[in-house]
Amino acid sequence: QVQLQESGPGLVKPSQTLSLTCSVSGGSINSGSYYWSWIRQPAGKGLEWIGRIYTSGNTNYNPSLESRVTISLDTSKNQFSLKLSSVTAADTAVYYCARGQRFSNFLDFWGQGTLVTVSS
Amino acid sequence: DIQMTQSPSSLSTSVGDRVTITCRASQSISSFLNWYQQKPGKAPKLLIYAASSLQSGVPSRFSGSGSETDFTLTISSLQPEDFATYYCQQSYSIPPTFGQGTKVEL
Repeated sequence: QVQLQESGPGLVKPSQTLSLTCSVSGGSINSGSYYWSWIRQPAGKGLEWIGRIYTSGNTNYNPSLESRVTISLDTSKNQFSLKLSSVTAADTAVYYCARGQRFSNFLDFWGQGTLVTVSS
Repeated sequence: DIQMTQSPSSLSTSVGDRVTITCRASQSISSFLNWYQQKPGKAPKLLIYAASSLQSGVPSRFSGSGSETDFTLTISSLQPEDFATYYCQQSYSIPPTFGQGTKVEL
């Protein structure tokens, strides 16, 4: 069974860069059948898709965040990462990583989520 | 972006009730519609994909239907573990967007 686990700082200062890593176990991140996504959820609110990366390295980002987001893959460590620059309080949220089924286009395995607070 | 609108936003129900949640897309999305269940403090869990396909391991009391712009999630007989928030999500175009959620409560 695939498992995903987010890690990274829980507190980031305004204007700095938020960096998170998702470690994947129980399966290879290098399988062409999947893509790897980031989604976030502010407290008490709904879900916002941030972006995804394919094993080819191709990425898609939410246009609302595209200028600040970078998602990358490290196949040697079976991990993928999120960087979000120039953060503000509006970026405070629980951040989830998830695996997507490439051809059916749904998110079938999710990490438990990690809370990132943007505050000085 | 494609707007996803769920109704109702919340639902007061009882164990054993039949529950129906609707999701409307702002434009046609064919059958690229997924449903997720989220419990407090937990990650969303996939229930239904491609509008009507039941994810492996999900109880058969959950079912989905619809196409184009109008979709439905039905729970045939609500169980205690089903009290949660439910989200629809379109995967037709970038960015994938979620409905605002429907909270099913006692």
